[in-house]
Amino acid sequence: GAGVSQSPRYKVAKRGQDVALRCDPISGHVSLFWYQQALGQGPEFLTYFQNEAQLDKSGLPSDRFFAERPEGSVSTLKIQRTQQEDSAVYLCASSLFPRTNVILEQFFGPGTRLTVL
Amino acid sequence: DAKTTQPNSMESNEEEPVHLPCNHSTISGTDYIHWYRQLPSQGPEYVIHGLTSNVNNRMASLAIAEDRKSSTLILHRATLRDAAVYYCILRDQTNDMRFGAGTRLTVKP
Repeated sequence: GAGVSQSPRYKVAKRGQDVALRCDPISGHVSLFWYQQALGQGPEFLTYFQNEAQLDKSGLPSDRFFAERPEGSVSTLKIQRTQQEDSAVYLCASSLFPRTNVILEQFFGPGTRLTVL
Repeated sequence: DAKTTQPNSMESNEEEPVHLPCNHSTISGTDYIHWYRQLPSQGPEYVIHGLTSNVNNRMASLAIAEDRKSSTLILHRATLRDAAVYYCILRDQTNDMRFGAGTRLTVKP
């Protein structure tokens, strides 16, 4: 089906390496969100795009985290100089309208499990 | 931000109803109550949402207290596929989706 897809599904990185995680949202969805989910915890918000504009990056934990959505569709979350505490599942979600429409559901991808050794 | 409180875990028998509680005593008048669930090794999926009135859909029912300080997600007949972590979330126009730790539901055959 035409759901949200993410790649890779699993990524192992050595500490200090840079990684790039890709999200393909549902076609036509305006909103795109990134979340970080540590083991045994609920997802935590990282950043929000409305089309190509990054309107909220308040959840990014450090300046090593960078996200982009240059054409308003595919998005990439980049983590520079990875640390062990970056190990988590990174989830992407998309929604049809801007996030101010609070009744609309978010559709989540399966996530990318990042392990930093 | 308004917070929610859910039990860490609950158990149910297959084909029996399940009532998953959520307390949100600091809810504001513009907060919608959303429920999502996360099956093992998957991303969360939408279950249901409501504002003041009780809501039903094909997956579940949502019962909202008259004072809106609590709500209950009702699965009418639990199946093994309903085993998941269930998240109760408050949303308004100014906040993000704030997931707590949720309730881990175990369904016994």
